[in-house]
Parts: sequence; C-alpha cells; structure tokens
Amino acid sequence: AQRVTQPEKLLSVFKGAPVELKCNYSYSGSPELFWYVQYSRQRLQLLLRHISRESIKGFTADLNKGETSFHLKKPFAQEEDSAMYYCALTGYGGSQGNLIFGKGTKLSVKP
Amino acid sequence: DTGVSQDPRHKITKRGQNVTFRCDPISEHNRLYWYRQTLGQGPEFLTYFQNEAQLEKSRLLSDRFSAERPKGSFSTLEIQRTEQGDSAMYLCASSLAALNTEAFFGQGTRLTVV
Repeated sequence: AQRVTQPEKLLSVFKGAPVELKCNYSYSGSPELFWYVQYSRQRLQLLLRHISRESIKGFTADLNKGETSFHLKKPFAQEEDSAMYYCALTGYGGSQGNLIFGKGTKLSVKP
Repeated sequence: DTGVSQDPRHKITKRGQNVTFRCDPISEHNRLYWYRQTLGQGPEFLTYFQNEAQLEKSRLLSDRFSAERPKGSFSTLEIQRTEQGDSAMYLCASSLAALNTEAFFGQGTRLTVV
C-alpha cells in the first residue's frame, strides 16, 4: 500500500531549539518525496523536495531509502516556523500524477 | 494574484442539494488536481486532469461527484445530493506535466453541509 505516515500530530519546541518532523513512507517503486507547509490562513505551498537536495528557510530533509524515511530538520527553530507541515510522495518524475499526503504535523515554536 | 484561484471560498448547503465549485489553474499549467481535506487529515486525492482528459479518479470519488475540465483550462467539481460527510475543504492544484514539477495549490473551498 502507498502510504505516508507522520507520527506526531503536534510538535512543540522553544525558539532556537532543534526540530525534527518525522515522515515515513510506504511505496512500491521509486517515489519522489516532498514537504509542504501551510502557514496560518495561507495556502498549502511546497517547502522542499528530496530531488533538489536544497535547504529552504534553514530546513533540510534527507531521503533514507533503507528506513523509508524523509524527516524534516532544522537546527534552530524560529517562531515564524510555526505552521502545519505535510509530508507527501508521488511516483518518480511525477508519473503517478497525484500526491499522497500524510496527516500533517503542527509545529508550534514558543518564544 | 496569479496563482490558482477557487470559487467560492465558502459554501453552506442543505443536505440533498447539489453544489458546484470552480477552479482556475495557473494559465500555462496543463495538469489540474482536486483534493479533499477533512479536519485532522492531510489532503486526499480525488481526481486529476491533463488538459481536458480526466486521467485518474480516486475511489473516494463516488458517483455523486463529477469533475470536468471542458477546454483544458478551468475545472468544475460538482457534488450531487450532498451528505453531511461531504463537509470538507476542497482543494485544487495545478502543475506542468513535466518531470520534477511543483504542484501549486489554491486556497480551497470550504463546504459545510447542514
């Protein structure tokens, strides 16, 4: 079964603390993995994808095929990082045509 | 705002009524997707179009749901004989049909069935 699991519904950290949002997936084939973010009252937007291996707003995520994980990390959380974060996957190259999302993790960064 | 736009933003309807939502994608995007998001869940795929062709439909898309994209531009999603369980946020997204392309989302239409 194709599935994305985000085990934490809510993650609360203090400003300046490291943050890791967990994502595990199940997919038969070579998936593309993404992190989407939704700030309060804003639309869902792409944060980063594994294939570009870039760091956006200080966030990074490494695809671990052995552990089928794509955890999102940031060494020093900022209050403006507070948002809903969704991990998602699709078939390689977008061949699947649609995204499978996890249930999301709400990140709350306290001052 | 040149992003994906959805209309209406909110819709309240009585059970049993029909509703129709509209999505206008980013103009050069040939793929258009519909998702549904209920409280506490991530977006769930409903269907997608490449140009005017509907290429995939989820099992979530019951026979009360129909989507069209008649000229490969805007799309409509109709729900017939609405039920309370249809209450959700309906999201539209668009992208290019190319490798490693990003899907851009609209702000959604929130449907409440009373």
